[in-house]
Amino acid sequence: EVQLVESGGGLVQPGRSLRLSCAASGFTFDDYAMHWVRQAPGKGLEWVSGVTWNSGSIGYADSAKGRFTVSRDNAKNSLYLQMNSLRAEDTAFYYCAKDSCSSTTCGLDYWGQGTLVTVSS
Amino acid sequence: DIQMTQSPSSLSASVGDRVTITCRASQGIRNDLGWYQQKPGKAPKRLIYAASSLQSGVPSRFSGSRSGTEFTLTISSLQPEDFATYYCLQHNSYPLTFGQGTRLEIK
Repeated sequence: EVQLVESGGGLVQPGRSLRLSCAASGFTFDDYAMHWVRQAPGKGLEWVSGVTWNSGSIGYADSAKGRFTVSRDNAKNSLYLQMNSLRAEDTAFYYCAKDSCSSTTCGLDYWGQGTLVTVSS
Repeated sequence: DIQMTQSPSSLSASVGDRVTITCRASQGIRNDLGWYQQKPGKAPKRLIYAASSLQSGVPSRFSGSRSGTEFTLTISSLQPEDFATYYCLQHNSYPLTFGQGTRLEIK
């Protein structure tokens, strides 16, 4: 059974940093691209970032470029999102999601339950 | 960036009704589109991939279709568990983009 478990969320002050983690199990992690998607409370879904199986191709939403960095450690079956210079508008549930493909994007087939990031003073 | 325009934003329907939700892409995306269902407090769940393929385990009352840059999700006979919010997602190119969502409510 595919499992994705996010961690690292919490309350953080504007301008500070936070690192999210996603622990994957139930599939061969380095066979698939991975993504981060967020959802502000009561709002729609917003794709944040994606990374191919070998980190050879990485993409970011405009809202994340220059502030967020996605990475993965295939030996640890883990995906990360380093978030710097956080703003109030970054407040959201952050979901880790598995792609159906490895070196391109075929859609997100499994999702974690999310971790809440709240940016507030 | 590819824009996905989803309609309607909300919809009231009754159990047994047939409903359709539409997403229009701002440019060609081939069949690189999926449909997702999200219930309150839960993660999204994929229903349809590659525009018209049914995800394993999803009831056959859900179907997807494509005409050019217009994509449709159809629920043939609404069941009580189908009342939720639905999103389309294009994965043709970065940045991936979602439709705005359709909230399906009980009439």
